[in-house]
Amino acid sequence: DAKTTQPNSMESNEEEPVHLPCNHSTISGTDYIHWYRQLPSQGPEYVIHGLTSNVNNRMASLAIAEDRKSSTLILHRATLRDAAVYYCILGETSGSRLTFGEGTQLTVNP
Amino acid sequence: NAGVTQTPKFQVLKTGQSMTLQCAQDMNHEYMSWYRQDPGMGLRLIHYSVGAGITDQGEVPNGYNVSRSTTEDFPLRLLSAAPSQTSVYFCASRRGTGGAFFGQGTRLTVV
Repeated sequence: DAKTTQPNSMESNEEEPVHLPCNHSTISGTDYIHWYRQLPSQGPEYVIHGLTSNVNNRMASLAIAEDRKSSTLILHRATLRDAAVYYCILGETSGSRLTFGEGTQLTVNP
Repeated sequence: NAGVTQTPKFQVLKTGQSMTLQCAQDMNHEYMSWYRQDPGMGLRLIHYSVGAGITDQGEVPNGYNVSRSTTEDFPLRLLSAAPSQTSVYFCASRRGTGGAFFGQGTRLTVV
């Protein structure tokens, strides 16, 4: 399975943008880039995913590098409720495997 | 629309006991998976299924069995519980290349 690399932790201030990086240098041409987040004592929650083009939804934006070897999850205005562990995962198009790494613990300061 | 439902939410087992964790989804998703999450760690894939009648092993399959007789249900069976299986178990479902939906988890303690 292709692997992803994320910083262990990041901090942000409330109402400021947050850019969460992810490296996936061994990504295959058909792997989708998924982002999930997990709040304390809850199951993971889908945030966004994409293949090649940048993607936007009500929660966040996903910026994908032209060579697809890295991506960035953008939270436009962080709130205290965004404090969570954020996972960047590569999703195989040929199966259901989503292999999680350790993720990035995001702390949002008031 | 209930999404992904896991039962029970909490369970305590004695070493050597067997039990089945239930997972059901009502979204007609073909892909379903089981993960375990140990304290302070990420999720590890136990088993997964790409459709009714088809299952495969993930990263940590030992000690667990699965079956997929219907699209909706994907139960996880612990054959002979061990303290090392104390963990939180999450079930997920997904359609095609879309995002996955997770249940709220089953917190299992083996004593």
